[in-house]
Amino acid sequence: NAGVTQTPKFRILKIGQSMTLQCTQDMNHNYMYWYRQDPGMGLKLIYYSVGAGITDKGEVPNGYNVSRSTTEDFPLRLELAAPSQTSVYFCASTHVGLGTGELFFGEGSRLTVL
Amino acid sequence: DAKTTQPPSMDCAEGRAANLPCNHSTISGNEYVYWYRQIHSQGPQYIIHGLKNNETNEMASLIITEDRKSSTLILPHATLRDTAVYYCIVRAHTGTASKLTFGTGTRLQVTL
Repeated sequence: NAGVTQTPKFRILKIGQSMTLQCTQDMNHNYMYWYRQDPGMGLKLIYYSVGAGITDKGEVPNGYNVSRSTTEDFPLRLELAAPSQTSVYFCASTHVGLGTGELFFGEGSRLTVL
Repeated sequence: DAKTTQPPSMDCAEGRAANLPCNHSTISGNEYVYWYRQIHSQGPQYIIHGLKNNETNEMASLIITEDRKSSTLILPHATLRDTAVYYCIVRAHTGTASKLTFGTGTRLQVTL
């Protein structure tokens, strides 16, 4: 199992550009999450999904969009990038209802908006 | 999910036990206590979890008070590699959607 895979690992964007951060998991987890972490700060929840076709907002959803068309994939879309979106983005997944409920994280995607 | 409160930072000498506290006074009966740690800027790593009994694994021990309003993560023999930010969260194991919000955690510095 590869676990949770995020791409790209690093990206530099210009203000106003758009991009998609990819996240895929091969553990058949039903719940998936996107977090952002600013330097020296904790994790803030952007969006989450409880299954294919179902998504909901977290603490800081503005400027982002998500979709969950399959169990495996949970891409995060940034529209009109702004310097305030410079951060490290983490995708995570877990299975609610089975197993330990452990949350598995990807290695992160470092985004800089200039 | 119930909110948690942790001290922002702690120090521990290498080889000594590190005891990291967490308050979760609004925890519900079906919510578990989970601990994660984040080393540098890597993705957080699961450590341990429990409901009401004390738990131990190869990484740590978790002590939960009888009223479940607080818990302590114990690293029995801290090493320099345990220097990290430790997060305590509470969440239901089953049932409806869990937003899984993280607090700011405790930054543990292990020193020689």
